[in-house]
Amino acid sequence: EVQLVESGGGLVQPGGSLRLSCAASGFTFSNYWMHWVRQTPGKGLVWVSRIYSDGRSTNYADSVRGRFTISRDNARNTLYLQMNSLRAEDTAVYYCARLYCSTTSCYYAFDIWGQGTMVTVSS
Amino acid sequence: QSALTQPASVSGSPGQSISISCTGTSSDVGGYNFVSWYQQHPGKAPKLMIYDVSNRPSGVSNRFSGSKSGNTASLTISGLQAEDEADYYCSSYRDSSTLVVFGGGTKLTVL
Repeated sequence: EVQLVESGGGLVQPGGSLRLSCAASGFTFSNYWMHWVRQTPGKGLVWVSRIYSDGRSTNYADSVRGRFTISRDNARNTLYLQMNSLRAEDTAVYYCARLYCSTTSCYYAFDIWGQGTMVTVSS
Repeated sequence: QSALTQPASVSGSPGQSISISCTGTSSDVGGYNFVSWYQQHPGKAPKLMIYDVSNRPSGVSNRFSGSKSGNTASLTISGLQAEDEADYYCSSYRDSSTLVVFGGGTKLTVL
């Protein structure tokens, strides 16, 4: 079964740090670009970050650039999000998501999502 | 405030058709055919329903269709069923440092 499982969320004080993990299974993880998307409770989805399949290129939303770092370990089939200098507005459910690819092309869409991990930034 | 604009809610009766709009700009929806739509049930992860404006991934019912005109994309659901009741989000590629933008979501109620 193709699956993504996030972990590492929790309660952290403003200014603190947290590292999220996303364990992939059921597909060749090293072939796919991966993303993080967050969702504020009761609100919409917001794209956070992207990493190429080989990990050599990354992109970030303006709101997290300089504070968050996306990385991956293809040998361990795991995606990471290191979050530093956390703010109250970072409180959200964080999803890892796989870029949708067919046998011939990839698309700006996410076909596999994890179940999400909740991050709460509060004193 | 979300990057793409969707109506907060829509409703329809079983068997009817409804459409959900998603309005952006020429930097995202209007400039590229990279619009996708997601269905999200409460407490669940989003599910991809449409990609590249009008394409359905394998396994998605043909009751779901997508289209685009100018800066506005639309998702149409025909033959409404009770299980279609969910939140729906549009998304688009954007030619900026923010690669992907989402709409604020639309709550579909099946009456």
